Amino acid sequence: ETGVTQTPRHLVMGMTNKKSLKCEQHLGHNAMYWYKQSAKKPLELMFVYNFKEQTENNSVPSRFSPECPNSSHLFLHLHTLQPEDSALYLCASSQDSRPGALVYEQYFGPGTRLTVT
Amino acid sequence: RKEVEQDPGPFNVPEGATVAFNCTYSNSASQSFFWYRQDCRKEPKLLMSVYSSGNEDGRFTAQLNRASQYISLLIRDSKLSDSATYLCVVNASLNSMDTGRRALTFGSGTRLQVQP
Repeated sequence: ETGVTQTPRHLVMGMTNKKSLKCEQHLGHNAMYWYKQSAKKPLELMFVYNFKEQTENNSVPSRFSPECPNSSHLFLHLHTLQPEDSALYLCASSQDSRPGALVYEQYFGPGTRLTVT
Repeated sequence: RKEVEQDPGPFNVPEGATVAFNCTYSNSASQSFFWYRQDCRKEPKLLMSVYSSGNEDGRFTAQLNRASQYISLLIRDSKLSDSATYLCVVNASLNSMDTGRRALTFGSGTRLQVQP
């Protein structure tokens, strides 16, 4: 399935590095999301974009910086991360997620498994 | 109270068994409900939406009880390939203008292990 793709699939970075995660959706959706999934924890919503505008920042530290240049692409820029940021980072997309709209199911990419050393 | 609560399991069942999972949610204004399946070290995949009238998809049946604020998933004739973690997913009110909760809230998941 290639509806939502993410690169890289695996990433090891030091605490002083800067890296970016990329997500692309081919489903014609207008909303995109970043989630974090740590071991044995539920998915944690990080950011929501609707029609390229950020509509939610779920109290995420500033060392995570999202970017959404268009409805099909989403980036997560990483800098000066901590070892506790090691996790699976999942991107998802859905149809319109604005207030007043129906809430649609989300489709996930395969994730980027991040290890911070 | 957690927004979405599930029994973490694991549920260990033999092939061919029927197994049921329940999930409770705290926001009475929730309008959309889903079950996702997540295999080990993979992304969650949509299993089925849950409708007010209940719905069935092959061996899977989902039910919604709004009065008690719980949803259920029933799996009949379990297969080895059903072994996975099942995530209960709920969203906030359709009428809410609070943009902060427009995305889905995921439960921690219930792990199912089907044994030969």
